[in-house]
Amino acid sequence: NAGVTQTPKFQVLKTGQSMTLQCAQDMNHNSMYWYRQDPGMGLRLIYYSASEGTTDKGEVPNGYNVSRLNKREFSLRLESAAPSQTSVYFCASSIPTSGVFQSSTDTQYFGPGTRLTVL
Amino acid sequence: GESVGLHLPTLSVQEGDNSIINCAYSNSASDYFIWYKQESGKGPQFIIDIRSNMDKRQGQRVTVLLNKTVKHLSLQIAATQPGDSAVYFCAEIQGAQKLVFGQGTRLTINP
Repeated sequence: NAGVTQTPKFQVLKTGQSMTLQCAQDMNHNSMYWYRQDPGMGLRLIYYSASEGTTDKGEVPNGYNVSRLNKREFSLRLESAAPSQTSVYFCASSIPTSGVFQSSTDTQYFGPGTRLTVL
Repeated sequence: GESVGLHLPTLSVQEGDNSIINCAYSNSASDYFIWYKQESGKGPQFIIDIRSNMDKRQGQRVTVLLNKTVKHLSLQIAATQPGDSAVYFCAEIQGAQKLVFGQGTRLTINP
């Protein structure tokens, strides 16, 4: 299993450009997540998808849109990139169908990250 | 809003020594906590978790302690190795599926 994969690994954009970050998981997980990590900080949740066909806002959703294309794939789109969106973006997936963590098997598995710079 | 925080941003220990990484949380309603390890250039990796009905949980070379009275969480790593060098995050479950991460502590293992 490849686990959680993300593309691209690195990206440089100019202010106002758009792009889509791709994420896929092959663990048959129901839930998927997008986080951003700024220097010296923990991860902050942007959006998540509890199951195929549903998406919900996290802590910092402004400036982003998401699509849960199918059970495997969850994409993050920046319609008009801003320098404040310079960050490392992590995708994650987890099992639970109930939406509540019950045990360590419900924990989130993270991808390797996409480093995005907006000039 | 409530958040999870860490006491120390950096920690250096000698190889072979034990290390303790601390974390304070403020949401007394949280009932599940996770420690993650993040190596340079990689995503966070699950280390160990603990539920609020427990005070202590042990894994391989790692122990997590939970003190609900003072809302404090710690990660103990025994007999540290060079591969333990990383940033360690505690995370708190707030509501369904929502992990709230602390700032992180960078652990450096000196040879």
